[in-house]
Amino acid sequence: DAGVTQSPTHLIKTRGQQVTLRCSPKSGHDTVSWYQQALGQGPQFIFQYYEEEERQRGNFPDRFSGHQFPNYSSELNVNALLLGDSALYLCASSIDPTGSYNEQFFGPGTRLTVL
Amino acid sequence: DAKTTQPNSMESNEEEPVHLPCNHSTISGTDYIHWYRQLPSQGPEYVIHGLTSNVNNRMASLAIAEDRKSSTLILHRATLRDAAVYYCILRDNAGGTSYGKLTFGQGTILTVHP
Repeated sequence: DAGVTQSPTHLIKTRGQQVTLRCSPKSGHDTVSWYQQALGQGPQFIFQYYEEEERQRGNFPDRFSGHQFPNYSSELNVNALLLGDSALYLCASSIDPTGSYNEQFFGPGTRLTVL
Repeated sequence: DAKTTQPNSMESNEEEPVHLPCNHSTISGTDYIHWYRQLPSQGPEYVIHGLTSNVNNRMASLAIAEDRKSSTLILHRATLRDAAVYYCILRDNAGGTSYGKLTFGQGTILTVHP
């Protein structure tokens, strides 16, 4: 089992550009959540996708958008990049988003640097 | 989401027990207590969770106070591999709006000395 995979591992962009990050969930998982982790901080919830729809959203602007595909993989898109978007972006997958025991499995993350 | 309070850092020696405290005085009756940890250069990983009773698994034990306003993650014999940031998280299991969202705080940085 490959677990949660994310691509690319690292990415460097300049202000104003757009970026797309990708995530493949753990086998058998149908729910994908995205988190942003700034240096020295805990991860912050961006949004969650289930059945190809955004199920819940954290306090992030509309520049952050996502998509989930029929095979449950997901993309995170960030438009008009700002310096403050530099962070580690984590993808987590799970089963049954409303269950009491839906352990989330995290990928290794994509390190985004905005210059 | 209810808030948790953890010490910024703790230190331990290898092969000694470690008790990581977490305060959650505003916990509600439907909140589960979850612990995740994040090893250097990795994504967080699940450690353990519980509601009211103490819990044990292969990684750790979770001791929950009777009033549920605090809990302690116990690593019985710390190894160098246990050096990580440990996050105590409350997750509402009342259904409806939580959908599995995890609200991370700053966590506790655990240093393990050889």
